[in-house]
Amino acid sequence: AQSVTQLDSHVSVSEGTPVLLRCNYSSSYSPSLFWYVQHPNKGLQLLLKYTSAATLVKGINGFEAEFKKSETSFHLTKPSAHMSDAAEYFCVVSDSGNQFYFGTGTSLTVIP
Amino acid sequence: GAVVSQHPSRVICKSGTSVKIECRSLDFQATTMFWYRQFPKQSLMLMATSNEGSKATYEQGVEKDKFLINHASLTLSTLTVTSAHPEDSSFYICSARDPSSGIGELFFGEGSRLTVL
Repeated sequence: AQSVTQLDSHVSVSEGTPVLLRCNYSSSYSPSLFWYVQHPNKGLQLLLKYTSAATLVKGINGFEAEFKKSETSFHLTKPSAHMSDAAEYFCVVSDSGNQFYFGTGTSLTVIP
Repeated sequence: GAVVSQHPSRVICKSGTSVKIECRSLDFQATTMFWYRQFPKQSLMLMATSNEGSKATYEQGVEKDKFLINHASLTLSTLTVTSAHPEDSSFYICSARDPSSGIGELFFGEGSRLTVL
């Protein structure tokens, strides 16, 4: 069975400081992993994806994530937070079919 | 990336009426689309998987007669909330995969905020 755990329901950082949003997964297969961002009253936008190529994945808006199989983690990072990064972030794991498993989300607040 | 369009973005209706939400894949053909419901400050809850040309697959606990799903073409799926009641008020989101992408990520619509008075 597959599952996703986002370890922090809420993260608060100051503008210009690094962002770390944590995600751990369990999977019986070689998973595909995704990070999505959701702004209020909007749909989800793909930030980045891991699909068994390079373990360090670079996404949009300066975000990146590292797949660590030994730790079953796929944490999302950004070197310097911007006010526009304030949003809800979801980690998603998928098998090779149509099954997608969503984390509970992490709300990111950026303090000016 | 691929684009999924969802309409309307907001709808207010009276209790007892029905509301239809459309989900379109604009630049790809989607044999499968997904419908979610999202409560405030919560994750997405999968309601059903919509399959083109066949019946939708509903998740446990989702009323098929309340939430009617039709996927009549490769680019359009609709969700109809029948005889809506205030407890149906929520944020509904659709998504689809682009089969040609090879990676399989989901592309999401912008969501529809339903308010039932």
